[in-house]
Amino acid sequence: AQSVTQPDIHITVSEGASLELRCNYSYGATPYLFWYVQSPGQGLQLLLKYFSGDTLVQGIKGFEAEFKRSQSSFNLRKPSVHWSDAAEYFCAVATANAGGTSYGKLTFGQGTILTVHP
Amino acid sequence: EAQVTQNPRYLITVTGKKLTVTCSQNMNHEYMSWYRQDPGLGLRQIYYSMNVEVTDKGDVPEGYKVSRKEKRNFPLILESPSPNQTSLYFCASSLSILAAPYEQYFGPGTRLTVT
Repeated sequence: AQSVTQPDIHITVSEGASLELRCNYSYGATPYLFWYVQSPGQGLQLLLKYFSGDTLVQGIKGFEAEFKRSQSSFNLRKPSVHWSDAAEYFCAVATANAGGTSYGKLTFGQGTILTVHP
Repeated sequence: EAQVTQNPRYLITVTGKKLTVTCSQNMNHEYMSWYRQDPGLGLRQIYYSMNVEVTDKGDVPEGYKVSRKEKRNFPLILESPSPNQTSLYFCASSLSILAAPYEQYFGPGTRLTVT
């Protein structure tokens, strides 16, 4: 069965510092990978996604992520964090259903809470 | 305004009393999905629907039912709620999960407490 692991439950960085949030997945076939962000009391917003092609993908709000098949990882990065980036971040993988007819099944990681110090 | 609406937003109920949480979207989206969010567990998908009359299980479907009779609506049914179903529930929709524009639009959430 597929799974997603975000090893860091909580990360604290200073404003202006660089950021890397880790994500490891387990899935036997080609993964379709996503990063979402959730602000307190809100639903989730898509930051970026990887389906195929270039393994470094750019997203909104200055975020990027790199897919490394050999490490089963899809880490999220930002070169300079802003106070407004404080939120919870979720990595997710879309996988096929039992019949292999659709890719609508989404498995999320446990989330990483980002705190930004001024 | 493009949106996903859920009702009710808050619900306190008792064990065994059937309930339905409605979800409706006005964007003509094909894909709809239900998630529950629990502290430390992230979001877990309950059921999803690729289109009308097409539903499939997510990771935690036990104790839940869904139906997709119309494109815009995707209700979540708890036939006999139990305390372990106390959670924050999100409905989401997307034009198509793997085709542009990829974005899932999330509803505001329904906080359910089962006593």
